[in-house]
Amino acid sequence: GESVGLHLPTLSVQEGDNSIINCAYSNSASDYFIWYKQESGKGPQFIIDIRSNMDKRQGQRVTVLLNKTVKHLSLQIAATQPGDSAVYFCAENWGSQGNLIFGKGTKLSVKP
Amino acid sequence: NAGVTQTPKFQVLKTGQSMTLQCAQDMNHEYMSWYRQDPGMGLRLIHYSVGAGITDQGEVPNGYNVSRSTTEDFPLRLLSAAPSQTSVYFCASRRDYSYEQYFGPGTRLTVT
Repeated sequence: GESVGLHLPTLSVQEGDNSIINCAYSNSASDYFIWYKQESGKGPQFIIDIRSNMDKRQGQRVTVLLNKTVKHLSLQIAATQPGDSAVYFCAENWGSQGNLIFGKGTKLSVKP
Repeated sequence: NAGVTQTPKFQVLKTGQSMTLQCAQDMNHEYMSWYRQDPGMGLRLIHYSVGAGITDQGEVPNGYNVSRSTTEDFPLRLLSAAPSQTSVYFCASRRDYSYEQYFGPGTRLTVT
């Protein structure tokens, strides 16, 4: 079975609020994690990534936090906008060939 | 660059029919992969290739064949379609020494 999972399958937030999407992983040997955004009818798009030697990484309005002690990953979106409505997937590296294993996804809905 | 392209966008097959899903990338990426995405589930790796002439199995390879004769193209073949193969199929590619994968727009396949 998949080692990457999500705590919440759906998340609804008010426009302008901050969003937090959580992800748990089970393989303590994973050293790379990545978040993807998938809009309806499209392929996943890269948002942000983090290596296991880091606890936090920031991008434009997004922050990824990694807690290796409890094998937990989170994506924070600041000032959530309607355009952020999508399904968000976390993934971890798998095997020696650079493959990724994906979680089941969280659907983020932004209320105007 | 067009990035990763996939054809067709939609396809309906009858059980037992065969077909090939096409995938091409113009970024000179060595690594290419195929995923399937089913409702409520994340992306599952079917097959991948780390370069021309080299392919390997992912999590769910049964019922699918691949080949990689050029760096640009990575077709996925269904030899005898089954209803269980109804899914959305995504092709992806990445550079060497990077985990970030670039996804195509997907092919929605229905097997009746």
